[in-house]
Amino acid sequence: GAVVSQHPSRVICKSGTSVKIECRSLDFQATTMFWYRQFPKQSLMLMATSNEGSKATYEQGVEKDKFLINHASLTLSTLTVTSAHPEDSSFYICSAPKNTGREQYFGPGTRLTVT
Amino acid sequence: DQQVKQNSPSLSVQEGRISILNCDYTNSMFDYFLWYKKYPAEGPTFLISISSIKDKNEDGRFTVFLNKSAKHLSLHIVPSQPGDSAVYFCAASAGGADGLTFGKGTHLIIQP
Repeated sequence: GAVVSQHPSRVICKSGTSVKIECRSLDFQATTMFWYRQFPKQSLMLMATSNEGSKATYEQGVEKDKFLINHASLTLSTLTVTSAHPEDSSFYICSAPKNTGREQYFGPGTRLTVT
Repeated sequence: DQQVKQNSPSLSVQEGRISILNCDYTNSMFDYFLWYKKYPAEGPTFLISISSIKDKNEDGRFTVFLNKSAKHLSLHIVPSQPGDSAVYFCAASAGGADGLTFGKGTHLIIQP
């Protein structure tokens, strides 16, 4: 069964508004979670690492003031896309490593469409 | 600069035959490699992984081979089944707390 959930699965918002996406680990605690973005027919690109109890670390080229990450608890990380623009439309996916393994388990993804 | 490369955007294989998906990498710091299967509008599903200290890992119909000197890995699926049709991503990690670097994926199509 699924070990990582995301909500919502799909969201449409107007340009200039903010959207929050939740990522939860279902039966384990995750001190670290990762956020990725996938554009159509492209690879998954790591955006940032969400750390419980400390600030997120962002990959080069990802605006930390635009993509706000909060790791509120050991089972929840949120990504807020602020002042969304049409070019932010994408598929956002989170992942978490389970236990001490190197495998990362992914959520089902969130399709964001900004009109 | 793409650090993980999957040079075949698509691959068509007959049902029952072997599917071989290839992946090359350039970053010598990668020490763990993973294969994921993905359907459209869904998150990737973990298939199999291999540590850089090994050259082969097998799990049922799936086997991953790693050639460190060539910086090349491959995923073998045998026998291929219709349900294997999906996009397969190769991913690599340079440390336990690091995110993954993905290739662009190979769309595997299993022909009946």
